[in-house]
Amino acid sequence: TQLLEQSPQFLSIQEGENLTVYCNSSSVFSSLQWYRQEPGEGPVLLVTVVTGGEVKKLKRLTFQFGDARKDSSLHITAAQPGDTGLYLCAGALYNFNKFYFGSGTKLNVKP
Amino acid sequence: DVKVTQSSRYLVKRTGEKVFLECVQDMDHENMFWYRQDPGLGLRLIYFSYDVKMKEKGDIPEGYSVSREKKERFSLILESASTNQTSMYLCASTLGGGGTDTQYFGPGTRLTVL
Repeated sequence: TQLLEQSPQFLSIQEGENLTVYCNSSSVFSSLQWYRQEPGEGPVLLVTVVTGGEVKKLKRLTFQFGDARKDSSLHITAAQPGDTGLYLCAGALYNFNKFYFGSGTKLNVKP
Repeated sequence: DVKVTQSSRYLVKRTGEKVFLECVQDMDHENMFWYRQDPGLGLRLIYFSYDVKMKEKGDIPEGYSVSREKKERFSLILESASTNQTSMYLCASTLGGGGTDTQYFGPGTRLTVL
């Protein structure tokens, strides 16, 4: 059982649609990160959220950290084919010594 | 920009062989990590290191060992490769030891054990 559960596992949508990816846990995290990984490459950091209730926007991407610091979401508005990739959430507990990763959401945006 | 390089993009080995995966970072980062990535399982931590010659076990260390003789280099060793170690292996580094640090990843090594 993974500490961070991501859903959905797969998402295939048309260009222009909106989508939300969820990252949930029963544990409280001090911070949570979202990464995107393209085929043949390593993950690249999109954002780090550290405050409960925090909302961060990165162009068409909106990230939210839950009030209780147990969950996070990534919302993409008007998805584009360039958004295609694997999205991973990663959390750090308060007694940090390592990061915990979710299982990932594979997004495919069709033109 | 931080650059993390891995010695091979693709590797094919036979069962029982000793396998070395090398990772080098060029930004004087303190911490380095080895993960394996399998479909539907995300990234699982094998070993990590917070300093030269220091190492700590991650979640799945069995069958693996590591070496960090120099700050910039972190090696993953499969003592006797087995087919269940066929996977994508990712190396990462962070500047400090905090949970908000950015992890910089290498491009990965796809290892196939026959």
